[in-house]
Amino acid sequence: NAGVMQNPRHLVRRRGQEARLRCSPMKGHSHVYWYRQLPEEGLKFMVYLQKENIIDESGMPKERFSAEFPKEGPSILRIQQVVRGDSAAYFCASSPKSGVGTEAFFGQGTRLTVV
Amino acid sequence: QKEVEQDPGPLSVPEGAIVSLNCTYSNSAFQYFMWYRQYSRKGPELLMYTYSSGNKEDGRFTAQVDKSSKYISLFIRDSQPSDSATYLCATAGGTSYGKLTFGQGTILTVHP
Repeated sequence: NAGVMQNPRHLVRRRGQEARLRCSPMKGHSHVYWYRQLPEEGLKFMVYLQKENIIDESGMPKERFSAEFPKEGPSILRIQQVVRGDSAAYFCASSPKSGVGTEAFFGQGTRLTVV
Repeated sequence: QKEVEQDPGPLSVPEGAIVSLNCTYSNSAFQYFMWYRQYSRKGPELLMYTYSSGNKEDGRFTAQVDKSSKYISLFIRDSQPSDSATYLCATAGGTSYGKLTFGQGTILTVHP
C-alpha cells in the first residue's frame, strides 16, 4: 500500500508564474490536509478537504492560493503569481476519516523555490 | 503568542543519554497531543499520540501530557545517532479536529 504521494518533489518557478502541487492520498483515504513549512518554522495548517468539498480553509492566504480535491484524481494546491515569500516546503497529509494524529499520514513534501 | 511554543534548540547529546523535549500550549480546548519526527528533507512521521492527560510509553519513547499546566513532553531513553532529527509537537481538538497545530520543532543531534 503506497503512502501519500506528492509530486513534484522539487519545483522551481519564476516570480509571477503559477505553481501546481499534487497530492495522491493513501488508498482508502478521503480526507486531505495541506501544510506549509517555511525555513526554521514548524508546519502551518493551510486547508482541509474531503472529496469535492473544502472543510476548513482557515489557514489559506486570501489571495492567489486555492485547493481542490476532485471526485477523481489527486488533490491540487494551486498558487498563482508566485512571489519569493511562497518558497517553502508544502506537505500533504491524508486520513481515512476525520482523523486526528494517529490516522493522519504525511507525504514527503514538495519544495517550491521561487526565483 | 503562538498557540504552541517549542524551544527550537538545537539540542546536542551523547549517545545513550536521556533526551527531554517539551512544548507548552495555550488553547485549553486541545485534547489530542502528538509528537512527530522529521528527518532532513523528509515528511513528518508520527511517533506518539496521546489523548487528554497522562503518560504513554512505546519502546524508548515516553510521552507525557499535563493539561493542568498545558505542558507536553517527550522523553527518549538510550538515545541513538539514528534519533537525530527534528521533533515536532502537535495538538488538535476544539472546533477543528482535522487541523493540527504544530510547534516550531526542536533539532536534536545524538553524537556517537
